[in-house]
Order: sequence, then structure tokens, then C-alpha cells
Amino acid sequence: GAVVSQHPSRVICKSGTSVKIECRSLDFQATTMFWYRQFPKKSLMLMATSNEGSKATYEQGVEKDKFLINHASLTLSTLTVTSAHPEDSSFYICSASEGYGYTFGSGTRLTVV
Amino acid sequence: KQEVTQIPAALSVPEGENLVLNCSFTDSAIYNLQWFRQDPGKGLTSLLLIQSSQREQTSGRLNASLDKSSGRSTLYIAASQPGDSATYLCAPLTGANNLFFGTGTRLTVIP
Repeated sequence: GAVVSQHPSRVICKSGTSVKIECRSLDFQATTMFWYRQFPKKSLMLMATSNEGSKATYEQGVEKDKFLINHASLTLSTLTVTSAHPEDSSFYICSASEGYGYTFGSGTRLTVV
Repeated sequence: KQEVTQIPAALSVPEGENLVLNCSFTDSAIYNLQWFRQDPGKGLTSLLLIQSSQREQTSGRLNASLDKSSGRSTLYIAASQPGDSATYLCAPLTGANNLFFGTGTRLTVIP
């Protein structure tokens, strides 16, 4: 079945630095990938839709200059949290669809200290 | 905007029991509905996907039903096991790639 790989699984960074999270579709091509954020005991919230070769589409309230998304190839999308602050600490998950349902990555736990 | 509600929020059962998790959604114009499992601090694992034209799907001890017109879906787990302990999320797909999530049901199966 479809596999989505996400790295890193955990990252701790200092406030003010930037962090890049990678999402790869391993055995299929994904023209569209999705980035979600999840707060403790809360549901997943869609942040943005990543489109290969074009600009990402951000959900209302998500700062596009803070959460930079690049989808340079059909198998890789990256989310960069720029100038991270403690309130950016969260669980970030990506997903992609092979055409039948959605497959999710294993998530990235970001802690900003 | 689609709103998804899952009841109960948490459930604790002894091993071997059969159980039902409920999901309701406000916009019945869905393409399909997917049930996921999430272990603590982990990503999501897809369990079952029901197309809008289907009434149910089965996989092993899991059975998911869909009543699209009333905006409801249930996940039935037979003969629960401690390994089933996780948070279960339902997610209807509405419009172009709009996957909405409920807050989930946190299941604990006691050995």
C-alpha cells in the first residue's frame, strides 16, 4: 500500500531558529500533499495544501510567511517553521492520497525552547 | 463548514467486549469517510474507507457503517484486545480534498 515517510520524528530547537520537516511519498507520486497540526487532545487541523510546482494553499488563520511550504517534486513536500517560538510547539503531520483514501506520515513532534 | 463529532470522547472496556464508536457529521455531501487509528505521539493509520455509495466496510474484527443521509457513521470492534487501545478518528471527505477530523474517541481495552 501507499507509504508516506515523514522526518524528523522529533525535533527540539531554540526560539528564533527555523526547522524543516520533510514529507515523502515512497511508492507513489503525489501532486498534492497536506500539512496538519495537532494540539494535545485536539483534532487535526489542516494548515495548508501543498501543490507540486505551484504555491501552497493556506487555511484561514495560518501564516504563510511563518510556515513555508515547498513541493518541488512529485514525491517531496517540505514544511519550514521559520523563526520558531514556543507557541509553535506542536505535532505536525503530513498526508497524501494515491487516489484511494489518505495516507499519513508518522508525524513530527516539534518543541521550541 | 463540515463539523465532525465523535461520541464517546473516551471509552474503557474489559478485553473481549464488543464495542461501537460513533461519528456524526453536519454536511452529508461527502465523497467518502475514512476511519483512522492514532497511537500516542504517532501518525495516523487508515483502518477503513467507505465510499459514499456504500453502506459498510469490513476488515477483520472491524466493521464500519455509513448512513450518509443522516450524517452518521459507526465503527464496530469485535472481541476487543488490549492492542486495540488507541484514539480512533473519523474523517469525512467533502469537496476537493477537504478531509475533516473529529476529536476522536480514546479507547482503552483493559486486559
